[in-house]
Amino acid sequence: GESVGLHLPTLSVQEGDNSIINCAYSNSASDYFIWYKQESGKGPQFIIDIRSNMDKRQGQRVTVLLNKTVKHLSLQIAATQPGDSAVYFCAEGGSYIPTFGRGTSLIVHP
Amino acid sequence: SAVISQKPSRDICQRGTSLTIQCQVDSQVTMMFWYRQQPGQSLTLIATANQGSEATYESGFVIDKFPISRPNLTFSTLTVSNMSPEDSSIYLCSVRPGSYEQYFGPGTRLTVT
Repeated sequence: GESVGLHLPTLSVQEGDNSIINCAYSNSASDYFIWYKQESGKGPQFIIDIRSNMDKRQGQRVTVLLNKTVKHLSLQIAATQPGDSAVYFCAEGGSYIPTFGRGTSLIVHP
Repeated sequence: SAVISQKPSRDICQRGTSLTIQCQVDSQVTMMFWYRQQPGQSLTLIATANQGSEATYESGFVIDKFPISRPNLTFSTLTVSNMSPEDSSIYLCSVRPGSYEQYFGPGTRLTVT
């Protein structure tokens, strides 16, 4: 069956460092992927998305990379700030209802 | 985008009672979803509630336990019936205004004692 999973449950970084959060997916037919950020006590917030016809997409301080060969995507956060501390979910979407991975907790140390 | 509000934001309920959660969206949307997120876990889809049709429930969720109403394009309710401590969770409303992007409400944190 389809699954979307994350490699590491917790990632600790120092303020100012770059963060990389990884995600694997198993459905090779997936055509759309989303990253969400969920701060404590809040609902998931859309960060960035990428379609399968792209390898890379950049936003403000964030970049998503998609490697369809190995069915892997990553979220890179540049110059990580304390406000980036949250749980990050990748989700496989498109025409399907998104399937969410387990989540990675990003902890930013000042 | 879409701005979603939920009521209540949190509640503590007794076993055997029911709680109705409201979801209000600031724009008309056809596709609306209800999720459950247990502590420290990912999101699990309960049901899809499109206006004009019966809600579609995912495996493990049934209408008698989680009845849903969708009276119009900006509002929905989810009822958690005959609650037990295992129903303690965060319940999230979500909408998809377009083809792809999906937005979430702030969630309702439910504790059943």
